[in-house]
Amino acid sequence: EADIYQTPRYLVIGTGKKITLECSQTMGHDKMYWYQQDPGMELHLIHYSYGVNSTEKGDLSSESTVSRIRTEHFPLTLESARPSHTSQYLCASSLVAGSQETQYFGPGTRLLVL
Amino acid sequence: SQKIEQNSEALNIQEGKTATLTCNYTNYSPAYLQWYRQDPGRGPVFLLLIRENEKEKRKERLKVTFDTTLKQSLFHITASQPADSATYLCALLGSARQLTFGSGTQLTVLP
Repeated sequence: EADIYQTPRYLVIGTGKKITLECSQTMGHDKMYWYQQDPGMELHLIHYSYGVNSTEKGDLSSESTVSRIRTEHFPLTLESARPSHTSQYLCASSLVAGSQETQYFGPGTRLLVL
Repeated sequence: SQKIEQNSEALNIQEGKTATLTCNYTNYSPAYLQWYRQDPGRGPVFLLLIRENEKEKRKERLKVTFDTTLKQSLFHITASQPADSATYLCALLGSARQLTFGSGTQLTVLP
């Protein structure tokens, strides 16, 4: 079991609210990621970070923002939630050994915006 | 454009049989390929990594092959069990140096 944690696991919130999804890892990994996944669908990379003070946008355009002030912490924020943001959000970190990279995923946050 | 394709249809097999899942890719020159398992409502879990110079890799009941000429990897689960039921994803390092995941194949092992 990987040491990567996400809170909350489930969140039901009204339109227009600001939310922050938390992700933390205790493995000392430099690289971290956020993916969005709808039920039965593929993973879409929305944000990633190479390390502290590094944030990049992924393949899928997202209205969310991220920050990386500490190595172990990579929160994702939605300033104004909308029903179209309803999805599962998965955080991951990766161990890079030479040119090889293996990702370790958290349990996910299932978000429902009403 | 780069593309990863896995069996689009769900795979149902009888307990005890060997499950074989396929991952095909185009416009990648991967140094390695990975397989992950994902259970419903959970994040993927890393299973195996196979390098481009390795034809085959085994781990307990799992076997992965990697054919860079065919641009294909096969993932086998021998003596399958109902507990093996899950979605299996292959992943490759893309041109943007980010790991890209296939859409996955849903496997159901029937008792």
